[in-house]
Amino acid sequence: EDKVVQSPLSLVVHEGDTVTLNCSYEVTNFRSLLWYKQEKKAPTFLFMLTSSGIEKKSGRLSSILDKKELFSILNITATQTGDSAVYLCAGRASGTYKYIFGTGTRLKVLA
Amino acid sequence: DGGITQSPKYLFRKEGQNVTLSCEQNLNHDAMYWYRQDPGQGLRLIYYSQIVNDFQKGDIAEGYSVSREKKESFPLTVTSAQKNPTAFYLCASSIGQGLLSGANVLTFGAGSRLTVL
Repeated sequence: EDKVVQSPLSLVVHEGDTVTLNCSYEVTNFRSLLWYKQEKKAPTFLFMLTSSGIEKKSGRLSSILDKKELFSILNITATQTGDSAVYLCAGRASGTYKYIFGTGTRLKVLA
Repeated sequence: DGGITQSPKYLFRKEGQNVTLSCEQNLNHDAMYWYRQDPGQGLRLIYYSQIVNDFQKGDIAEGYSVSREKKESFPLTVTSAQKNPTAFYLCASSIGQGLLSGANVLTFGAGSRLTVL
C-alpha cells in the first residue's frame, strides 16, 4: 500500500532558527511530490518536485527531492512567526490523479 | 477571480441525517477531489473524479457518495452510514494530466466543517 510519512509530527522553534521538515514516501510508479502550507483552512501550494537533486526555492523556503532514497526535505531559514502552520507533503503515482498525503508537520515559531 | 467555493463553511447535523457539501470551481479543471481531515491524521482521500460523469473511490469512501454531472461541480453527500462524520472536509481540483508543468498541482477550497450532534 502506498504511503507518505512526515517527520517530525510537531516542532517548536524560535524566530531566526532554521528548520528542516522531512517527507518519505513509498509510492508505486512515483511521479511527483507536492508541499503545502496550511495555516487555518485551505492548504496553499509551495512546491512541486519531480526530479532528484534539483532544489526549488521561494524566498526563505527551499525543497529538494531524492528519488533514490525516496524522500524530500523542506527547509525554512530565518523562521518568522508567520511560518507557524502545518506543512503537508503529498505523493502521486504516474498515470493516476490520486494524491497521497502525509500526516503533516505542525511548526510553531515563537517570537 | 478563479477558485474553488465550498459551502457551507460550518454545518451541524443530527445523527441519522444525510448532508450534502457543495464544491464549485471556475478554474476549468478536469479533476476534482474530496479529502477529509482529522486532527493528527493529515488528509485522507474520499473520492476523486477525473472527468464528468466518472469518479473513483479513495481510501475512505464508505458512508459517502458523490456525483459529477457538471465539470464545475462535485458535491459530496455524507450519509447516515458514515459512523464518525465529524471532520473538516476539503475539496480540491487540478487541471488534470497534460504537458503543463503545473498540471498536477492541487488547488483547495476553504473547507467545510461538519459536526454531528
